[in-house]
Amino acid sequence: EAQVTQNPRYLITVTGKKLTVTCSQNMNHEYMSWYRQDPGLGLRQIYYSMNVEVTDKGDVPEGYKVSRKEKRNFPLILESPSPNQTSLYFCASSFPSGGFIQPQHFGDGTRLSIL
Amino acid sequence: KNEVEQSPQNLTAQEGEFITINCSYSVGISALHWLQQHPGGGIVSLFMLSSGKKKHGRLIATINIQEKHSSLHITASHPRDSAVYICAVRVNNDMRFGAGTRLTVKP
Repeated sequence: EAQVTQNPRYLITVTGKKLTVTCSQNMNHEYMSWYRQDPGLGLRQIYYSMNVEVTDKGDVPEGYKVSRKEKRNFPLILESPSPNQTSLYFCASSFPSGGFIQPQHFGDGTRLSIL
Repeated sequence: KNEVEQSPQNLTAQEGEFITINCSYSVGISALHWLQQHPGGGIVSLFMLSSGKKKHGRLIATINIQEKHSSLHITASHPRDSAVYICAVRVNNDMRFGAGTRLTVKP
């Protein structure tokens, strides 16, 4: 089954404790992206990757890191989480084709609470 | 001002009604996406448009590039269509999102 898998689904942690949210897709997609969703602000792009070893900042990259060492995985790293990073996070992937990002497949979301 | 504006913010309809959700954007785009977010939080991509019109079942999406406007229509709406519908545009390689339209369809 084609899917984007995020882990963990839920996490409560404390300020400053490094954490990683993993994202894996089984569709051989080149394009992968991380978004956060906050009430009143909607979805915002954090980082995206057009292919292995190619990553770029989205709208709200501060406080986050990503890496793309292999095509299927795109982890989101919070080196020193802070309460303003409490949010619902989505990973997504798609094929870029003909210069367009094709419809994206989304993971189920990760709800992060940072105390 | 948000680069992507959706209207209405909230919409309540009776089952069977024709629904229209609008999206206007102020930037040059290479494509526009319509997404559906279910009450459980999961997001599904409905359409990607760069021109014209697309149809999938009871859903129709149109885009007018000159007017920087897109519409999502739902014919014969059903309670299971209740969700948040989100317009997203691709600006270079970035994705920018509207705030979403919360649709409730009552039986």
